[in-house]
Amino acid sequence: EAQVTQNPRYLITVTGKKLTVTCSQNMNHEYMSWYRQDPGLGLRQIYYSMNVEVTDKGDVPEGYKVSRKEKRNFPLILESPSPNQTSLYFCASRQGWPDNEQFFGPGTRLTVL
Amino acid sequence: GDSVTQMEGPVTLSEEAFLTINCTYTATGYPSLFWYVQYPGEGLQLLLKATKADDKGSNKGFEATYRKETTSFHLEKGSVQVSDSAVYFCALRIGGSQGNLIFGKGTKLSVKP
Repeated sequence: EAQVTQNPRYLITVTGKKLTVTCSQNMNHEYMSWYRQDPGLGLRQIYYSMNVEVTDKGDVPEGYKVSRKEKRNFPLILESPSPNQTSLYFCASRQGWPDNEQFFGPGTRLTVL
Repeated sequence: GDSVTQMEGPVTLSEEAFLTINCTYTATGYPSLFWYVQYPGEGLQLLLKATKADDKGSNKGFEATYRKETTSFHLEKGSVQVSDSAVYFCALRIGGSQGNLIFGKGTKLSVKP
């Protein structure tokens, strides 16, 4: 089944404790992206990647890191999480052409205390 | 900069009612326009899209027409069902090969039997 998977689905952590949210897709998509969804703000892009070893900042990259060492994986790293990073996070992927559909993962709900 | 404005929700309708969710955009050039839907507890799914002026996107009984003169892409459905209850996001694709999407804040639709 073609899908984007994220782990964990739910995470409660404390300020300053490094964490990684994994994202994996099995569709051989070049493009991958991370978003955060907050009430009243919709989805905002954190980082995106056009292909392996090619990443770039989105609209709200502060406090986040990403890497793209393999085509299928695009982990999101929070080196020192803070409470304002409490949010619902989505990973998405897309085949090459920009107007193609983005396929979204099921989301990771992160709470930083 | 480029942006998307959606009508505020929540919207509550009875089954078989007519649905309109307004979406207007500000963009340089001629963006592609999308509607994504998020069912409870899930990631976003593409509902429909239009890539040039006067195009009509349609899917599952939903329609939206790309109106360049009014910079709008309103979502309509003639007869909603309880299963249409979800959050609907209007989005535009900004220029360039990246194909990054800018999302509106989302409109929550609840359909009562």
